[in-house]
Amino acid sequence: GEDVEQSLFLSVREGDSSVINCTYTDSSSTYLYWYKQEPGAGLQLLTYIFSNMDMKQDQRLTVLLNKKDKHLSLRIADTQTGDSAIYFCAEGGATNKLIFGTGTLLAVQP
Amino acid sequence: DAMVIQNPRYQVTQFGKPVTLSCSQTLNHNVMYWYQQKSSQAPKLLFHYYDKDFNNEADTPDNFQSRRPNTSFCFLDIRSPGLGDAAMYLCATSGQGPLNEKLFFGSGTQLSVL
Repeated sequence: GEDVEQSLFLSVREGDSSVINCTYTDSSSTYLYWYKQEPGAGLQLLTYIFSNMDMKQDQRLTVLLNKKDKHLSLRIADTQTGDSAIYFCAEGGATNKLIFGTGTLLAVQP
Repeated sequence: DAMVIQNPRYQVTQFGKPVTLSCSQTLNHNVMYWYQQKSSQAPKLLFHYYDKDFNNEADTPDNFQSRRPNTSFCFLDIRSPGLGDAAMYLCATSGQGPLNEKLFFGSGTQLSVL
């Protein structure tokens, strides 16, 4: 089956690092994505990683991919209150379709 | 500038009364998607158009239909909304190329069913 799982909730203090984890099941996924959703809004693509990479850094964001364990993580350095949102990982293959994870609510405490 | 525009932002309908949600895009993308997102859940793909080719997900109820009259517009029709259809409906687009699943989302339409 196609299940992408995430922990439901993460709380951090402003300035700390946040690590959001995701496990997926489709080993044929070509790309893996992280999307951010603020309250009442659509999803915004944050970053992505190609399946033959194990790390990608993009400013404050670091994506780690462990393909053997089908584990993806998103690290946000120096987390700010504006980072408070729901974060979805998603996997995609060659079918023009994404399978989204269950979402992790990140709460940043001032 | 908004590239994927959904109207209206909030829609209230009555149980059983047909409703249409609209989506337009300025990206000239081939693919347009409709997702349903219920509270605290992941977006669930209902269907997508690849150009004029309609692709329905196996578990999308018959109550949901879609039309794409041209590249720019796509509509979601709910023929007889039930209380369980109250949700955020998200339209998205994607183009061709290596990142063909890189989706551009609209802001969504929040549907309430009374």
